[in-house]
Amino acid sequence: SQQGEEDPQALSIQEGENATMNCSYKTSINNLQWYRQNSGRGLVHLILIRSNEREKHSGRLRVTLDTSKKSSSLLITASRAADTASYFCATDANTDKLIFGTGTRLQVFP
Amino acid sequence: EPEVTQTPSHQVTQMGQEVILRCVPISNHLYFYWYRQILGQKVEFLVSFYNNEISEKSEIFDDQFSVERPDGSNFTLKIRSTKLEDSAMYFCASSTGFNTEAFFGQGTRLTVV
Repeated sequence: SQQGEEDPQALSIQEGENATMNCSYKTSINNLQWYRQNSGRGLVHLILIRSNEREKHSGRLRVTLDTSKKSSSLLITASRAADTASYFCATDANTDKLIFGTGTRLQVFP
Repeated sequence: EPEVTQTPSHQVTQMGQEVILRCVPISNHLYFYWYRQILGQKVEFLVSFYNNEISEKSEIFDDQFSVERPDGSNFTLKIRSTKLEDSAMYFCASSTGFNTEAFFGQGTRLTVV
């Protein structure tokens, strides 16, 4: 498998529900970042979590990082239709480049 | 809020032609990047640029590609002799430092026909 793989590949939920997406990676990292991409649009930076951090919050987003398992999760609470997008994790693998995962396509139904 | 801007948003070019994709990074950022995303695939790293030189490049970034920071604000990606498989969304990004948040532009959709 490749560096940065998200699961599930696709997720459909109702507005108001929580959405959890997971990311696994292979190499050691300095940090892990989560991005959102609306269809055919640019990448919007959501949150960065450093390798010495275990959890980080930003508004309705909660990110966890488990370096022993080489995994991270992104939780979006009280989802809205506007949260419909693809979500990607990206790791730095101790370099200055980002390695992106395959992404989770989130669909939030009103 | 400062943002990375890219022009053009769409570019259609004939196979074999040269294209230049332009980016204006966030003004106080020091690291600049190009990534690409072929339709339906992962975002792939192409090149990073710091202190007026390439700091890292991927296998994709061969002699067909070059980058330049011609002045204090622009950062360009030149693709020579374009091929059909160069069709993709190209993203520019910038960051303040090594291992910090990278902010992306809206992308240039390049179509080679």
